[in-house]
Order: sequence, then structure tokens, then C-alpha cells
Amino acid sequence: DIVMTQTPLSLSVTPGQPASISCKSSQSLLHSDGKTYLYWYLQKPGQSPQLLIYEVSSRFSGVPDRFSGSGSGTDFTLKISRVEAEDVGVYYCMQGIHLPHTFGQGTKLEIK
Amino acid sequence: QVQLVQSGAEVKKPGASVKVSCKASGYTFTSYGISWVRQAPGQGLEWMGWISAYNGNTNYAQKLQGRVTMTTDTSTSTAYMELRSLRSDDTAVYYCAIVFSWGQGTLVTVSS
Repeated sequence: DIVMTQTPLSLSVTPGQPASISCKSSQSLLHSDGKTYLYWYLQKPGQSPQLLIYEVSSRFSGVPDRFSGSGSGTDFTLKISRVEAEDVGVYYCMQGIHLPHTFGQGTKLEIK
Repeated sequence: QVQLVQSGAEVKKPGASVKVSCKASGYTFTSYGISWVRQAPGQGLEWMGWISAYNGNTNYAQKLQGRVTMTTDTSTSTAYMELRSLRSDDTAVYYCAIVFSWGQGTLVTVSS
């Protein structure tokens, strides 16, 4: 199984400051179709996970542009340019190329 | 809009079975495979398996092989996940999901 490793596991950020989360996979997530199947989800307290980023860097509909994704192969990053109070929750990366699909451990973001 | 609406919370005794439903709306049901993901209390996300809503093909997490069955009913746009021989460590919130949308979750409690 592909192992997804997120760092850090927790973040405490002052509103208006940037934040960055790393996700490393144990195998390349590049498919033969040219796409890289790496997703970022946010699970807000008491809610289901919601899609933020798909295929490394594409923002899902309605996701604020302060969220951005980058990376390739096995190394990926989610960045929040200016954290807001509504961004609190647990962020997960997930690989969708190899079965079983696997998630990172999650990164808990809190506001200072 | 896309919605995945799951059945309600369940309480089961060890050794029993549970069947969770997930009714989809707002998109063509057969266009996306449905994943099932669970989350034990205070823990991260665990991918359980996937079913093609197009042809019924399935792929299950190895640790659940033999205990889990995923099915779909295209006439009602509903997916089902049945888990048998329940144990206390199966206590979790169970989610159905397509890539860009998740159900609200179903709490399954296994307790004697």
C-alpha cells in the first residue's frame, strides 16, 4: 500500500499569516494518463471532509483562492496564503491512483 | 446540487452485521465510483473500499476482505455497505464519498 506522510501534524497560525502542509507519498502518483491523483480535503469540526484541491493543484468549485496546491511525483504541498478563522480543522491528503486509496495522518490547524 | 444522504445511526452487538445506505442525487449515478471511508473516534480517515456504480466492480481494503460487501442499486441511485462479524473496533463514523462530495456520515456503535 502507498504510505502518505503529512508534516506537520499540527499547526497553530495567527489569522492573516500563511500556512503550509507537506504530503509525501511512498510511490509516484503520476498516472500513465498524465494526471497526478493527489487530493486535499479539509474536515471542519463536526463535519464531513470537503474537497479543496484535486489533481495536485486544481481548486474545487467554491474553494477560496487563498488555498493552493503544488508538487509532483511524490512530494506535494498545500498552502494557505492568509489563514482565516474558518480554516480550522484537519487537513488530509489522499492518493487516488493506487488501490487501496490511502490518506495521510491529517494535519490539525488551529488559530492562535 | 450533488448530495449523498446516508442512513441513520446504528447500535449493534459484537458479531452482528450492519448495512449502511447512501442515496445519491444531483449527478448521473453511474458516472462515478463510490468509496466508503470510516473514521474511528478521534482518529483519521480509513479507506474501506470502492465500488463502480457503472458495472459493480469492487475493491476492498485487505483488512476487511471477507467481512465487507459493497453494492449499488442503479434504479434508486443508492449504494450500500454491509459489514459483518462486527467487533468493538468497528465503532466509527462511516462515510460514502465520490471524489468531490461526501455523505454526512453514519455512526455505527458496536457494544455489548
